[in-house]
Amino acid sequence: KNEVEQSPQNLTAQEGEFITINCSYSVGISALHWLQQHPGGGIVSLFMLSSGKKKHGRLIATINIQEKHSSLHITASHPRDSAVYICAATLFNTDKLIFGTGTRLQVFP
Amino acid sequence: NAGVMQNPRHLVRRRGQEARLRCSPMKGHSHVYWYRQLPEEGLKFMVYLQKENIIDESGMPKERFSAEFPKEGPSILRIQQVVRGDSAAYFCASSPSRDTIYFGEGSWLTVV
Repeated sequence: KNEVEQSPQNLTAQEGEFITINCSYSVGISALHWLQQHPGGGIVSLFMLSSGKKKHGRLIATINIQEKHSSLHITASHPRDSAVYICAATLFNTDKLIFGTGTRLQVFP
Repeated sequence: NAGVMQNPRHLVRRRGQEARLRCSPMKGHSHVYWYRQLPEEGLKFMVYLQKENIIDESGMPKERFSAEFPKEGPSILRIQQVVRGDSAAYFCASSPSRDTIYFGEGSWLTVV
């Protein structure tokens, strides 16, 4: 079992839909990251969370430390949001990131 | 302030050759990380370096792989005697502290 699990693995949506991607972890962490990767492209850091909730534009990330769970929400999804979204956790007291396997999102017009 | 710069973006090597991947962190960042993404797999931590020091290399294969971050110049990930299984995307990231992290565009290594 991976220490960081994401669901779903694949997600398709119509433009305008509200999207949720989930991440749970089974280890002690100091921070939780949400990353975006376009096909054949680099990785962009969207959020780093250690508690609560963060919002940037149409993206919202939340974390529940007690439940060891985080969610990434995309409101009013757009085809340009199509990418792989990766959850990653910084292991407590280290600088090591452990990654989920990613969620492949496709948003159709 | 330029982002994390990696080069080359794409590298083709024959089996047995050496591959050198370079990473220039963002200005002012003293922490450098290397990650590997094998085809159809997730990212895996390889090594964490600060200037002239390897802090954590627990993700590095024991043989053929080495990394450095000299006082001057970029961080280098070196793979000796490459094999087909080394074909992957190698990502560098840098950070000014433990909090935020910035990724480069990646270097895609293909071993033929």
